[in-house]
Amino acid sequence: DARVTQTPRHKVTEMGQEVTMRCQPILGHNTVFWYRQTMMQGLELLAYFRNRAPLDDSGMPKDRFSAEMPDATLATLKIQPSEPRDSAVYFCASGLGLAGSREQFFGPGTRLTVL
Amino acid sequence: QKEVEQDPGPLSIPEGAIVSLNCTYSNSAFQYFMWYRQYSRKGPELLMYTYSSGNKEDGRFTAQVDKSSKYISLFIRDSQPSDSATYLCAMSPQGGSEKLVFGKGTKLTVNP
Repeated sequence: DARVTQTPRHKVTEMGQEVTMRCQPILGHNTVFWYRQTMMQGLELLAYFRNRAPLDDSGMPKDRFSAEMPDATLATLKIQPSEPRDSAVYFCASGLGLAGSREQFFGPGTRLTVL
Repeated sequence: QKEVEQDPGPLSIPEGAIVSLNCTYSNSAFQYFMWYRQYSRKGPELLMYTYSSGNKEDGRFTAQVDKSSKYISLFIRDSQPSDSATYLCAMSPQGGSEKLVFGKGTKLTVNP
């Protein structure tokens, strides 16, 4: 049963600490998306990769957030330093990246609380 | 005006009822329309996928797209308590990137 996995599922940290979230996309998928979900803003796209290359990170606060794909099976989202306003659920999604396909498959999310 | 507008609800209906969930959008370039279902404390899962206009049916679920009105709907027939979730619409233009624009979601509760 192919699915996107994310670790950790929950993270509580103190303001100023570094947070790293990891995502394993579905094998064979070549697009990866990082989203943040809050009650106020809904789902917001933070970053988007195709074939491991970053295509769009315009939704990400550049001074503290960074996203990478060290290899095809791992995507990371890092926050340094973290702030209370970063508290949210962070989702990773992957897609086949085929022309004409827009389906994205979501992971279970990382629930982040910054105190 | 946001690109995609969705009434957040919440909606509460009795089991067996028919419900319509709706989104409006402003970008006439949107060609791909999706509905995701999100259970509490879970990730969104793709429910329905439609390209361009028309209707698509899958069991108790029907997705409709009216591009002339920039309006999409998801109908759920014979609703079940297991349909209780938040439903998010999502859309994307033809060509270009695969980015989706999401509505904020409508929370639905089906009461037994």
